[in-house]
Amino acid sequence: QVQLQESGPGLVKPSETLSLTCTVSAYSISSGYYWGWIRQSPGKGLEWIGSIYHSGSTYYNPSLRSRVTISVDTSKNQFSLKLSSVTAADAAVYYCARGREPIVGAYFFDYWGQGTLVTVSS
Amino acid sequence: EIVLTQSPGTLSLSPGERATLSCRASQSVSSNYLAWYQQKPGQAPRLLIYGASSRATGIPDRFSGSGSGTDFTLTISRLEPEDFAVYYCQQYGSSPGTFGQGTKVEIK
Repeated sequence: QVQLQESGPGLVKPSETLSLTCTVSAYSISSGYYWGWIRQSPGKGLEWIGSIYHSGSTYYNPSLRSRVTISVDTSKNQFSLKLSSVTAADAAVYYCARGREPIVGAYFFDYWGQGTLVTVSS
Repeated sequence: EIVLTQSPGTLSLSPGERATLSCRASQSVSSNYLAWYQQKPGQAPRLLIYGASSRATGIPDRFSGSGSGTDFTLTISRLEPEDFAVYYCQQYGSSPGTFGQGTKVEIK
């Protein structure tokens, strides 16, 4: 059973960079699939942030593209999210998930991490 | 981007009853690339249906999906106690993929 686990600070100051890591177990990232980040907030609901392939190819939501970087470390079987210049609007539960991509840049997600709450406050 | 509107917002039903949830897209969903997820409090979404009507691994056959174009439906044939949750639709036929706002199925 594929398992994903998010880790990272639960509190980020406004204007700083949010950094999260997702560790995958029971499946090698290098074997395929896309690996994505999705967030959920009371105000905006579920929102896809971006996805990465093991080769490093990335696709980002245009609404966040200017602030998002997703990277992969296949040696650690991890992928990571950085979101810069955060504001209160970025406070959410952040999920990592395994994505299946029938068309370029669009995915559905079959395995999810449990999620991690990120608060933005000084 | 495609906007998904789910209805009703809340569905109040009793165990054993049939639940019918609707998801309407602002434009046609390419190749019926539509998924449904179930989410319980404090948990991540769980994939139920993809491709509008294909059940994900391990999903009971009381869950079924149908529809095409802009109108999609998730049906739960007989509600079990564990089915009371929030359900989301998601389109992945065009980028960026987008989610509906959810339908809560609550115990009447």
